[in-house]
Order: sequence, then structure tokens, then C-alpha cells
Amino acid sequence: EVQLVESGGGLAQPGGSLRLSCAASGFTFNTYSMDWVRQPPGKGLEWVSHIDGSSTHIYDADSVKGRFTISRDNAKNSLYLQMNSLRVEDTAVYYCARMGDMNTFGGVSPRPFDYWGQGTLVTVSS
Amino acid sequence: EIVLTQSPGTLSLSLGERATLSCRASQSVSSSYLAWYQQKPGQAPRLLIYGSSSRATGIPDRFSGSGSGTDFTLTISRLEPEDFAVYYCHQYGSSRPWTFGQGTKVEIK
Repeated sequence: EVQLVESGGGLAQPGGSLRLSCAASGFTFNTYSMDWVRQPPGKGLEWVSHIDGSSTHIYDADSVKGRFTISRDNAKNSLYLQMNSLRVEDTAVYYCARMGDMNTFGGVSPRPFDYWGQGTLVTVSS
Repeated sequence: EIVLTQSPGTLSLSLGERATLSCRASQSVSSSYLAWYQQKPGQAPRLLIYGSSSRATGIPDRFSGSGSGTDFTLTISRLEPEDFAVYYCHQYGSSRPWTFGQGTKVEIK
């Protein structure tokens, strides 16, 4: 069974830092691209960052570029999001999401997010 | 950036009725790269439809997707109690950033 479990959320001050983690199990982690998607309270979804299985290709949304860094440790089956220079508008539930594999999703690239964690809440406030 | 606009914002329907949700893109999206997700309160999104019309694993056949270019539709043929939720469309093509619509809430009338 695929499981994604986020941790590391909490309260941070504007300008502060937090590091989110996502522990993956139930699949061959190093063969899947992974992403972070966030959702401000009561609002919609926003894609944040992407990393492929070998950490070769990394993409970020403009809203977090230069402040957030996505990374992974395949030996530990873990995904991370280092968040620096936090802003009030970064307040959200942060989900880690698995990008589906090419075989299942018709050979196209990119693919949709087929599994999501339950999310971890990040609150940025003074 | 491709902006996805969903309508209506809220859909009030009764059990057994048909739900039709719309997603309009600000520029053309390949039908291979349009998905729909369902989200219930306090839960993560769940993938329903990918490639505009293919159902994800385990999704009942009362859910169907269609469309091309800039106009896409999610249809729920007969609403069941568990279908009342918020639905998001999502484009994941070669044009980043990947974006989501603002959501349509399907509520019980």
C-alpha cells in the first residue's frame, strides 16, 4: 500500500525557516518523481515544487523560487522541502504528492499526481 | 501561466441527480494533460480522471470526463452520498507552472 506521511509543519515567524519531510513507503521511491502542493486554509490548491527520481530535474513555482528548496534522499525513501524567508502568505497545508508512472498514465510526461499524503500545516505569523 | 476557471462555484443537487462541472483554460491544454480531483473536508485530494477522460484506478463509472482545447467537463451521472465534495481540475502539461482550478463545491440540495 502506497503511503506518504508528511511532518515538520508548525508555527514560524515571518522571515523564519521550516523543513518539511515526507516519508514514503509501499513503492519503489527512487523511480518516481515527487512534488509538493499547498493549500491555504479554505482555499484552492497550488503546485509548489517538483523533483524527479534522480534529483536531476527540479522545478519551482515563481512564488517560492529562491526561498524554498526541494530535495530527496532515496536511501531513506524521503522527500524534503526546506522553506526559508517565510511569508504570511506561505501559510497553508503542504501535501507531498507522487507523480504517476509513465506506464500507468499512457506514456505521457508529465503525469498527474496519483497519491497524496494527508498534509502538514504550516502557519506563518508573528 | 495557464489559468483554469471552474464553474459554477457551488452546485446544489439532490441524490441521484446528474452533476456537470466545467473547467475553462486561458489557453489550449492538450487533452492528455487535464485531470480532475475530488477533495472532502480534512482529506487530501484524490485523483478521479486523467488525460481528460480516463478514470483512475478504483473510480466508479458514474464519473466521466470529456473535453478538449480550452473546455473540459466532469460529469457525475447519478450523485451518491459520498460524491458531495469539492472538485478541482488540474493541467499538468509541458507548460509550467502546473495549475489548478479554484474548485467547484457539490453540495446536497
